[in-house]
Amino acid sequence: SQQGEEDPQALSIQEGENATMNCSYKTSINNLQWYRQNSGRGLVHLILIRSNEREKHSGRLRVTLDTSKKSSSLLITASRAADTASYFCATYHMDSNYQLIWGAGTKLIIKP
Amino acid sequence: DSGVTQTPKHLITATGQRVTLRCSPRSGDLSVYWYQQSLDQGLQFLIQYYNGEERAKGNILERFSAQQFPDLHSELNLSSLELGDSALYFCASSGTGTGGEKSSGNTIYFGEGSWLTVV
Repeated sequence: SQQGEEDPQALSIQEGENATMNCSYKTSINNLQWYRQNSGRGLVHLILIRSNEREKHSGRLRVTLDTSKKSSSLLITASRAADTASYFCATYHMDSNYQLIWGAGTKLIIKP
Repeated sequence: DSGVTQTPKHLITATGQRVTLRCSPRSGDLSVYWYQQSLDQGLQFLIQYYNGEERAKGNILERFSAQQFPDLHSELNLSSLELGDSALYFCASSGTGTGGEKSSGNTIYFGEGSWLTVV
């Protein structure tokens, strides 16, 4: 079964609003990563947060990690039409045999 | 541009046939991963190679096989194709050979994928 589960499965908001996506996982992790996928394209790495970090920023992105709740959130502020994409979280933990474990993704639609 | 190159970009083939997908990793990356993405199954990890050797195996069917060559490029072979094999196949790469990959869970870089349609 997948380690990460994103919530919601789909999100539609107006341009300029903030978008928040959540990821939950089951076992202890070394790090958690967020990726973006534009329709039919390859996944692009957005941000990596390590298990000893609580928050990380990159431009309009803010990622938080709560290891006690085994959850992470990705916040995109001041959304733009170009942010329309699917967003995946992936977790890496020591006994994952060197692979990232992927969630099912959140499909984000930004309405103009 | 991630630096990962996949060919072909699109492929249409008949059931029962065999195809080979090719991947060139980012310069210096020793790890290559293969993923399958379909509408109903999401992103499925197939297999990983590290410096020519199989490192990890995921949900890869017995009809599928892969290898990584000395120049680090990789091929994914899909045989006895079925309609359900229609999907987007991604190659990804990571690692700089420093050994840190084992403990740090490096970022991986995806190619643009190969669209396979089985008819």
